[in-house]
Amino acid sequence: EIVLTQSPGTLSLSPGERATLSCRASQSVSGSQLAWFQQKPGQAPRLLIYGASIRAPGIPDRFSGSGSGTDFTLTISSLEPEDFAVYYCQQYGSSPGTFGQGTKVEIK
Amino acid sequence: QVQLQESGPGLVKPSETLSLTCTVSGTSTSSYNWSWIRQSPGKGLEWIGYISYSGSTNYNPSLKSRVTMSIDSSKSQFSLRLTSVTAADTAVYYCARDLSRNRPLVLAYWGQGTLVTVSS
Repeated sequence: EIVLTQSPGTLSLSPGERATLSCRASQSVSGSQLAWFQQKPGQAPRLLIYGASIRAPGIPDRFSGSGSGTDFTLTISSLEPEDFAVYYCQQYGSSPGTFGQGTKVEIK
Repeated sequence: QVQLQESGPGLVKPSETLSLTCTVSGTSTSSYNWSWIRQSPGKGLEWIGYISYSGSTNYNPSLKSRVTMSIDSSKSQFSLRLTSVTAADTAVYYCARDLSRNRPLVLAYWGQGTLVTVSS
């Protein structure tokens, strides 16, 4: 199975700053079938990005995804207070689908 | 709007069978793939598998020998059975749906999750 490694584990930033999150795959992700999710305490994950770079319906344009092959990035251009959460990448191109271990974006 | 709701026992004894149901509204189970995912502190998010609207299944090999999924479109429900549970199966279990028919396995709609604890 494909192992996804996210870095950093924790990102300490202030509102208004730019956040850059990394997801590296142990092998190439088929068809760039990679998604990003946001999760807040006590809530289910929320789909942000799929197909590596396509924003899900209703997701603000401050969220963007990029990458292909084995290296992917989620960028939040200017952090809003509601963006402080844990972010997960997930590949769904190869079975079994797998998730990264998460990056926590916390208020500095 | 699309809503999913998990239901089932919150406590299961070791070696017994975990059974959960996901009730769907605002959408039809006669389309899409329907997935189960779980989340535990020790293993993070883990995809358990999915069942398609036609009843075909795809399970995570790590759980395949213990998992069965089924779908009942007349009740707008799909279900998960996990046999021979141990403490390692303690987790929050989520059900989820694809974004669209031409975006299979993009997990766009999730239930709120239900905590299942395995303990005697």
